[in-house]
Amino acid sequence: DAGITQSPRYKITETGRQVTLMCHQTWSHSYMFWYRQDLGHGLRLIYYSAAADITDKGEVPDGYVVSRSKTENFPLTLESATRSQTSVYFCASSESRGGFEQYFGPGTRLTVT
Amino acid sequence: DAKTTQPNSMESNEEEPVHLPCNHSTISGTDYIHWYRQLPSQGPEYVIHGLTSNVNNRMASLAIAEDRKSSTLILHRATLRDAAVYYCILNAKDTGNQFYFGTGTSLTVIP
Repeated sequence: DAGITQSPRYKITETGRQVTLMCHQTWSHSYMFWYRQDLGHGLRLIYYSAAADITDKGEVPDGYVVSRSKTENFPLTLESATRSQTSVYFCASSESRGGFEQYFGPGTRLTVT
Repeated sequence: DAKTTQPNSMESNEEEPVHLPCNHSTISGTDYIHWYRQLPSQGPEYVIHGLTSNVNNRMASLAIAEDRKSSTLILHRATLRDAAVYYCILNAKDTGNQFYFGTGTSLTVIP
């Protein structure tokens, strides 16, 4: 399917477990982003990537790890999930920097028990 | 990072124009002004963006103040499908294109 997809769409995990959220885009966009959205709040940037093998921290990177070995994929890993990481996670991609539209995925709702 | 200020909520009658304001008094010369909206249970969706001049597209118009310290998103005829949270975001031209969202304006459209 063309566009940007996220998997899984819903995930329940236990405290302390590792969980990986997947993001895939078919446009060959250079930039990819991970955001989290907590109930009643706007989105906050976790990590972003300007190209394969180039990643950088956003506002709230603690407790998360990212990698980008291929342009089209940008997985987000919670190495040891905590209840405070219960959130909706959105992946986005963009053609280039500054002034370009970001395309968002449908989101992954993660619950940590 | 430059911040934006928006009203928490607004209401509009269906088929009437809606003007959603945004203040960004600390905007720099290289900051783009973006507007996104988020419908319930969906990811944000691009609406419009601009740098200095007013912009129009099929979804909306963006009016930017001459000093760029404020902007207004204009929906020409609100429909029930326009009910969403609208985010005004500044994005520096020379950075990594990361966005910093505020809490946005929740728009209610009254039939």
